Amino acid sequence: ETGVTQTPRHLVMGMTNKKSLKCEQHLGHNAMYWYKQSAKKPLELMFVYSLEERVENNSVPSRFSPECPNSSHLFLHLHTLQPEDSALYLCASSFNLLAGGQYFGPGTRLTVL
Amino acid sequence: GIQVEQSPPDLILQEGANSTLRCNFSDSVNNLQWFHQNPWGQLINLFYIPSGTKQNGRLSATTVATERYSLLYISSSQTTDSGVYFCAVDSGGGADGLTFGKGTHLIIQP
Repeated sequence: ETGVTQTPRHLVMGMTNKKSLKCEQHLGHNAMYWYKQSAKKPLELMFVYSLEERVENNSVPSRFSPECPNSSHLFLHLHTLQPEDSALYLCASSFNLLAGGQYFGPGTRLTVL
Repeated sequence: GIQVEQSPPDLILQEGANSTLRCNFSDSVNNLQWFHQNPWGQLINLFYIPSGTKQNGRLSATTVATERYSLLYISSSQTTDSGVYFCAVDSGGGADGLTFGKGTHLIIQP
């Protein structure tokens, strides 16, 4: 599926680095999501945006900072991460929060050294 | 929050066999999806099926919302069907995203 793209596909960073993950959807959707998949754990939701407005999610550490400049783009800014943040980060989009299914990008595999 | 349980956790079959994967959920849902995660991590949409029955080639799915379960059927398995199959549900207004089960790891042997 090419409806949702993510870059980079792989990222290795040190704990003091700052990096950003990018997601772009070409489906005309109005809601976008970040999920985290750690080894041997279920996928877990990190952030939700609807019509470029963030739906509050208070369980994510502040070293992860999302940004949604428009309905087609979603970023995840990373700074001072920990090795336990190493995971597959998946972006998804849906038509809106209330209807339709979610479509996922290929993910960014992040390794924090 | 809603709980999602998938069974079996692991399944090894010979090519050509049929299989049934089950997903139980603890509350009523607005959205239920089945995904196949390939070895590179991509989540591939199989079905959007909050209720009823759908078929797509060798795959079909049934959700009985009143009894809070869904089944994914794979017929005439091929080695390319190998991977992890996830069930995911949304029980609220969408703001909580999808809640995923732990998945069924399917291995199809030639």
